[in-house]
Amino acid sequence: QQPVQSPQAVILREGEDAVINCSSSKALYSVHWYRQKHGEAPVFLMILLKGGEQKCHEKISASFNEKKQQSSLYLTASQLSYSGTYFCGTEKVTGGTSYGKLTFGQGTILTVHP
Amino acid sequence: GAVVSQHPSRVICKSGTSVKIECRSLDFQATTMFWYRQFPKQSLMLMATSNEGSKATYEQGVEKDKFLINHASLTLSTLTVTSAHPEDSSFYICSARVGGWTNEKLFFGSGTQLSVL
Repeated sequence: QQPVQSPQAVILREGEDAVINCSSSKALYSVHWYRQKHGEAPVFLMILLKGGEQKCHEKISASFNEKKQQSSLYLTASQLSYSGTYFCGTEKVTGGTSYGKLTFGQGTILTVHP
Repeated sequence: GAVVSQHPSRVICKSGTSVKIECRSLDFQATTMFWYRQFPKQSLMLMATSNEGSKATYEQGVEKDKFLINHASLTLSTLTVTSAHPEDSSFYICSARVGGWTNEKLFFGSGTQLSVL
């Protein structure tokens, strides 16, 4: 089942902050975050493997609440280059070895204006 | 870093023809690759898991005979869209997993935009 991302779209001015959320109804093994520019392939931002883990990529950070089956992506002091569609991809806890098999959220369109 | 090369980047073909898309891992071996399809302004939907040396695993609703996957070597997986029709027009993208337990990453190819006339 597809994870749910919110909000669907965000419009920011350069320097402002934003939070994108990703919720799943299934127990998760990991959460991945990607950014996709129009007409291009998704670019890996980070993966969170443990409950409560937080990671950073430049001024973008993320947290993973394993119990709530939720992850949040925090964009601080946004730059023009942050514009794009952000996807979370989730891996379920299956007990198997299907690592890398992701189910993606519907995406959040982030637009940063000067 | 790890690179996944996908070719071609764009294909325009007539209805009824077959189209082959290649996905190569350039500097690492990938025993498992994944094929996704993305319609305009929509999310990426997993089509199948490609396993080197064995049959691909298809997601529910994906026709095996329509989307043929071959993973003949540790660096190459191919997706063939057989007898393509306009409804098959989409952005197809492959990915490969790198790393293990704590440093796993997924790298995506650059994608193939298929347009069936």
